[in-house]
Amino acid sequence: QQQVKQSPQSLIVQKGGISIINCAYENTAFDYFPWYQQFPGKGPALLIAIRPDVSEKKEGRFTISFNKSAKQFSLHIMDSQPGDSATYFCAASSGSARQLTFGSGTQLTVLP
Amino acid sequence: ETGVTQSPTHLIKTRGQQVTLRCSSQSGHNTVSWYQQALGQGPQFIFQYYREEENGRGNFPPRFSGLQFPNYSSELNVNALELDDSALYLCASSRGTGSSSPLHFGNGTRLTVT
Repeated sequence: QQQVKQSPQSLIVQKGGISIINCAYENTAFDYFPWYQQFPGKGPALLIAIRPDVSEKKEGRFTISFNKSAKQFSLHIMDSQPGDSATYFCAASSGSARQLTFGSGTQLTVLP
Repeated sequence: ETGVTQSPTHLIKTRGQQVTLRCSSQSGHNTVSWYQQALGQGPQFIFQYYREEENGRGNFPPRFSGLQFPNYSSELNVNALELDDSALYLCASSRGTGSSSPLHFGNGTRLTVT
């Protein structure tokens, strides 16, 4: 019940295209859903996060869509750039310890 | 503002040995969390320290232990190392434990157990 399932495992997009990564969860106690970006040799960096009381959040080219009834959320990267090439992780948490449960990651490659 | 720093960056140990990894939290942050990231996988929560006390623990055996110091820096200790302990160990700090306190990760310590 603690799992967060992420797809696809890898994604190749042309420059200027839209990258879409999906995640699904089972634990209805989750109340915080962040997305992290990780470059090789670096730690994950927070991109954007959402709570279940809103259905969409946009920050620049990054948008989270959240479907509480389906227990799914997704990351959309608009106008994808080669510099966006990285591994993206969705995550979820609940409780005061802010224990993040991560998805398995999506390796995004944006072709020039 | 100084970010989260971890040391060492790389470490090679032999099965059965013990290891200590260190983390300095970001300025102004009083909470430290440790995660294990196996190759090609997402990070897995080990435990969190707040006010020098363990505040939540993931599904890791007792041979994984930690400390937080009065300056909020932290150590992760792993005893009786096993081959499966080979991973990237990530430290993350935050200002408090609540949901309004996003985690800031360091670049990790790459541990190889042979």
